[in-house]
Amino acid sequence: GENVEQHPSTLSVQEGDSAVIKCTYSDSASNYFPWYKQELGKGPQLIIDIRSNVGEKKDQRIAVTLNKTAKHFSLHITETQPEDSAVYFCAALRSNDYKLSFGAGTTVTVRA
Amino acid sequence: GAGVSQSPSNKVTEKGKDVELRCDPISGHTALYWYRQSLGQGLEFLIYFQGNSAPDKSGLPSDRFSAERTGGSVSTLTIQRTQQEDSAVYLCASSLGGGPGETQYFGPGTRLLVL
Repeated sequence: GENVEQHPSTLSVQEGDSAVIKCTYSDSASNYFPWYKQELGKGPQLIIDIRSNVGEKKDQRIAVTLNKTAKHFSLHITETQPEDSAVYFCAALRSNDYKLSFGAGTTVTVRA
Repeated sequence: GAGVSQSPSNKVTEKGKDVELRCDPISGHTALYWYRQSLGQGLEFLIYFQGNSAPDKSGLPSDRFSAERTGGSVSTLTIQRTQQEDSAVYLCASSLGGGPGETQYFGPGTRLLVL
């Protein structure tokens, strides 16, 4: 099955700085890569996703990049704000599958 | 519109008791998924429904776990004879058509604690 690794496990940044989280996947058949943000006591919320036919996608302060050859994808948050503090999960989904394979999560803390 | 809802939000039970967890998907979504989030295991897939049928039950950890979906909407996850290792957050998600590669939207989860 698909194996997704996520780094770092924790990330502390100063408000206004950028945060980068990296994930690798093992199955070249994966073609959909969502990122979820989970705040304490809540369910994962989709923040951005990318499909394998594009290399980059941006939505305001959030961007995701995908390198299919190297089988890795990254989340970039610019101009971080305290409300960006949360646990972020990457995931991968194979083209013929329904179950998401998740990374272990990154706890992001934005220091004011 | 309303998102995925789950009930109860928290459940404390004694070892050996049965529990039922409920999920209401987004209106119009035909696919429904259950995942489990535990400290040591991260987020794990449990089961997938397309309409009322479950073509993929591969993630259910034991025969104590079962799930059903009626009317193509509400789903119930049942854990019989609960064990302490069942303590986790049980998350439900739904997607529009259930085709491969669809975006899945999650509910807030049910936090289960087995004493």
